[in-house]
Amino acid sequence: NAGVTQTPKFQVLKTGQSMTLQCAQDMNHNSMYWYRQDPGMGLRLIYYSASEGTTDKGEVPNGYNVSRLNKREFSLRLESAAPSQTSVYFCASSTTGDYGYTFGSGTRLTVV
Amino acid sequence: AQSVTQLDSQVPVFEEAPVELRCNYSSSVSVYLFWYVQYPNQGLQLLLKYLSGSTLVKGINGFEAEFNKSQTSFHLRKPSVHISDTAEYFCAVSGKSSYKLIFGSGTRLLVRP
Repeated sequence: NAGVTQTPKFQVLKTGQSMTLQCAQDMNHNSMYWYRQDPGMGLRLIYYSASEGTTDKGEVPNGYNVSRLNKREFSLRLESAAPSQTSVYFCASSTTGDYGYTFGSGTRLTVV
Repeated sequence: AQSVTQLDSQVPVFEEAPVELRCNYSSSVSVYLFWYVQYPNQGLQLLLKYLSGSTLVKGINGFEAEFNKSQTSFHLRKPSVHISDTAEYFCAVSGKSSYKLIFGSGTRLLVRP
């Protein structure tokens, strides 16, 4: 099915470990985004990529890095995980000018 | 910069009753407005969006929202809810020259039989 695919769906990390969350879309969208969702706080933008080859910080970028590997793929890396990064992470994509996002099903990350 | 306030964290309602979920936004520029729905353990799905034109916007599943520029509001309504409407609803805003969506904190709609 067409859409946004995130891997993994669940992950438990120990404090200080690193990992990369993968995201791929097959809708030929130009823009891609990473959000985190925490109870009572809605979704907060971590990083976004308006087009292939560009990335920019969102509201809460500290502790994260991103790579826009190609038009389809946008990965999020935690270099040294902290308990404060326990959250549900969503990747999304959109066509420039359309402003309707398509979301992946999320990655539930727990840092112990 | 834009911000969104969803005034109610949870709204309980009986099945077949009407419901209104409130959303207010703040922005110094013209905006686009959105409502998304999130069912348990799923991603977000677009319900409806206001880009321009008629201030009354109709979306999927019988929902509609009205853009009120003077009150900076974009409230979501449904005349008769079903059990299956139980979910979390997010209001979101973006500036017309921005790619970024800013989300509210969400309202959990709980439909009771």
